[in-house]
Amino acid sequence: NAGVTQTPKFQVLKTGQSMTLQCAQDMNHEYMSWYRQDPGMGLRLIHYSVGAGITDQGEVPNGYNVSRSTTEDFPLRLLSAAPSQTSVYFCASSYLGGEAFFGQGTRLTVV
Amino acid sequence: AQSVTQLDSQVPVFEEAPVELRCNYSSSVSVYLFWYVQYPNQGLQLLLKYLSGSTLVKGINGFEAEFNKSQTSFHLRKPSVHISDTAEYFCAVSESFKTIFGAGTRLFVKA
Repeated sequence: NAGVTQTPKFQVLKTGQSMTLQCAQDMNHEYMSWYRQDPGMGLRLIHYSVGAGITDQGEVPNGYNVSRSTTEDFPLRLLSAAPSQTSVYFCASSYLGGEAFFGQGTRLTVV
Repeated sequence: AQSVTQLDSQVPVFEEAPVELRCNYSSSVSVYLFWYVQYPNQGLQLLLKYLSGSTLVKGINGFEAEFNKSQTSFHLRKPSVHISDTAEYFCAVSESFKTIFGAGTRLFVKA
């Protein structure tokens, strides 16, 4: 039972570098989301998708891109990393009305 | 747009005492409501959810929550807490395709 798989678990980037956080789910869920977690701010929604080919912005989308070419995969791209993007990132998947299943998170540090 | 307010950022309580973690939400449409728990250095796991029906919802580990539509609240309660309940608790509201989280309440159970 893989559930939601995120890679990598840890990453250090230099300011200005780009990278992609990977997320895959094997539950055939329609909905997938990316959140960032910062102390005292809970989880804030970055982008979400309601199905292959359909994505939309969440609460804090600036500096991030997403795409959803398949039901299973929902990668998050940082185009030009900034120190303000230092955070823990969680990917989640769900079906309408159902609970969100989370990956184990990616701890990203931008120096 | 939906929003979630967790009224207490930290709640210290003695072991075996009752606890209530407060959550208020705003939304223009019907919503689904959730409570999640996050133990240190782990991902989030579902405690309980309200989709429809009975306003009193029971979850895992002895927790329960009551949906109050007129007050737009979904407070989490436990009659007797244990040291192992020390964790961060997140209230979440799901409207259509988006799930938004509150800032979290850190529950600290003292011996």
